[in-house]
Amino acid sequence: EAQVTQNPRYLITVTGKKLTVTCSQNMNHEYMSWYRQDPGLGLRQIYYSMNVEVTDKGDVPEGYKVSRKEKRNFPLILESPSPNQTSLYFCAILDRGSYEQYFGPGTRLTVT
Amino acid sequence: KNQVEQSPQSLIILEGKNCTLQCNYTVSPFSNLRWYKQDTGRGPVSLTIMTFSENTKSNGRYTATLDADTKQSSLHITASQLSDSASYICVVSDQTGGFKTIFGAGTRLFVKA
Repeated sequence: EAQVTQNPRYLITVTGKKLTVTCSQNMNHEYMSWYRQDPGLGLRQIYYSMNVEVTDKGDVPEGYKVSRKEKRNFPLILESPSPNQTSLYFCAILDRGSYEQYFGPGTRLTVT
Repeated sequence: KNQVEQSPQSLIILEGKNCTLQCNYTVSPFSNLRWYKQDTGRGPVSLTIMTFSENTKSNGRYTATLDADTKQSSLHITASQLSDSASYICVVSDQTGGFKTIFGAGTRLFVKA
């Protein structure tokens, strides 16, 4: 079964200190995506990637960067985190054949 | 603007009772609609996936319906259990097949003994 891992699971940091949240998959799926989830708003897509070296902005990309140098990894980078980026972050993969989307366990980020 | 709206926002039911959650969407062109269950602090887990041509899909005690003409879907939970307490999220994809997905805000279900 498809498995998505994220690290770290919990992170408390300060404004302006660069951080990276890693995401990796154990399958060979081309499509990966990052979401943030805030109370009352549902999940919102930050960035997605349709294949290696192919990334595109989602609905809320401001303040985030991603890279896709290899198929299994899709890190989320916050160059200069701000308190409004305090959120629960999920990485996900999509099986294009079945439309099944598998989510990672989440990373709870707090920026003070 | 593509939107997905769910109702009710929250729901409390007694164990053993049935309930129905609603999802209305304006996403067009439409590819597929998914219902997810999300336990607090965990990633969503897929319950059902329906494409344009499907009207109903079951997964155990969960049954989803889709009316693509009226752009409405429902998730019916039969004989609820305490473990059904969770958020239920409706997700609609456009015809990119899943690359662009719109998530509803979810319905928070509480099942009480």
